[in-house]
Amino acid sequence: KAGVTQTPRYLIKTRGQQVTLSCSPISGHRSVSWYQQTPGQGLQFLFEYFSETQRNKGNFPGRFSGRQFSNSRSEMNVSTLELGDSALYLCASSLTAGGRNYEQYFGPGTRLTVT
Amino acid sequence: GNSVTQMEGPVTLSEEAFLTINCTYTATGYPSLFWYVQYPGEGLQLLLKATKADDKGSNKGFEATYRKETTSFHLEKGSVQVSDSAVYFCALSGDAGNNRKLIWGLGTSLAVNP
Repeated sequence: KAGVTQTPRYLIKTRGQQVTLSCSPISGHRSVSWYQQTPGQGLQFLFEYFSETQRNKGNFPGRFSGRQFSNSRSEMNVSTLELGDSALYLCASSLTAGGRNYEQYFGPGTRLTVT
Repeated sequence: GNSVTQMEGPVTLSEEAFLTINCTYTATGYPSLFWYVQYPGEGLQLLLKATKADDKGSNKGFEATYRKETTSFHLEKGSVQVSDSAVYFCALSGDAGNNRKLIWGLGTSLAVNP
């Protein structure tokens, strides 16, 4: 079974631009979560989608948004990029959305650099 | 709300040394506990898990026991290898309502020297 895939793997953008990242979950997984990982802040939860509905949201500004399609693929969008948005963005998929057997499977991440 | 506290790194050990990475939690109800590992340049991988008190999760020589009385889930390995160099994350998943999402520790970086 193929793992979680994220595209692109690396991205360089200029401050003020917008960016869209894509995530394809493991086949059969209906939940997709997004995280931002930086050396200073560690792993921070952005949001989770399950069956095309946002189930949970972290404490990020409205410039960060996401969506999930009927095939469970998900996209994350960041508008008006700031230097501080430079980070590794990780996507994780799971069968369920939370609970006692909540195992997440992570993709390799998209490394975003904002200049 | 639920929270996870993980020992700060970096931890530096020599090959074949004993490893302990401490993780304690605060949670209502009966959460599940997880250890994830992130090797350089990769995403996170589930290392082991435990879903009820006194359960022991184990994988690749790593072990962790779910201790409800001390609210802990410490990661241990008897003899580390250079290939174990990575960042280790402790995480918790609650069992009801808004606590169902994963709560993460800050991660502990481990470097094993030959």
